[in-house]
Amino acid sequence: GAGVSQSPSNKVTEKGKDVELRCDPISGHTALYWYRQRLGQGLEFLIYFQGNSAPDKSGLPSDRFSAERTGESVSTLTIQRTQQEDSAVYLCASSLALINTDTQYFGPGTRLTVL
Amino acid sequence: LAKTTQPISMDSYEGQEVNITCSHNNIATNDYITWYQQFPSQGPRFIIQGYKTKVTNEVASLFIPADRKSSTLSLPRVSLSDTAVYYCLVGPMDSSYKLIFGSGTRLLVRP
Repeated sequence: GAGVSQSPSNKVTEKGKDVELRCDPISGHTALYWYRQRLGQGLEFLIYFQGNSAPDKSGLPSDRFSAERTGESVSTLTIQRTQQEDSAVYLCASSLALINTDTQYFGPGTRLTVL
Repeated sequence: LAKTTQPISMDSYEGQEVNITCSHNNIATNDYITWYQQFPSQGPRFIIQGYKTKVTNEVASLFIPADRKSSTLSLPRVSLSDTAVYYCLVGPMDSSYKLIFGSGTRLLVRP
């Protein structure tokens, strides 16, 4: 079956521009997660959704970052006024429910480069 | 959420058994231990999960001592394709759960 998909796979933008990253989770998965991974580093948790709700936004690096999810399906991560330090791979994952024993399935990521 | 400590890197050769140990001294009673594997340019994928004693699947085994303050991921007879980063995660099974990935262990399998 279809896994988690993300688009675009690569995004190059200029400093100060806004970008939108999209995640299509596995159908029926109520939980969705966004992570950031800088080159050669581990994953940094950003935000999770239970349905369309994001109860905890404290992981977002700054107020330039926002995320939303609609129809308990697609999610978008928006970065406003991008900075060079935002360059990273942004990974999305989904799971059946928001419990530890439900495996998180990851997408291939969006590689963001801010020039 | 319990903090985890694991080696930054490990080297091995094809056909050997590899054991990666993760320390989680402040693990809580309701915490589970989960391991993920990440290949270059891909998202992580689930390998194995356990609560106590030993868990085995077609990919790996997970050994958890009685005090649960550490866990060991065992990969039998590794191949070159097992070269990846391995993450140990510890967290509770409740609705506020979120995974905390550290830097992981970079395993390099040599021919």
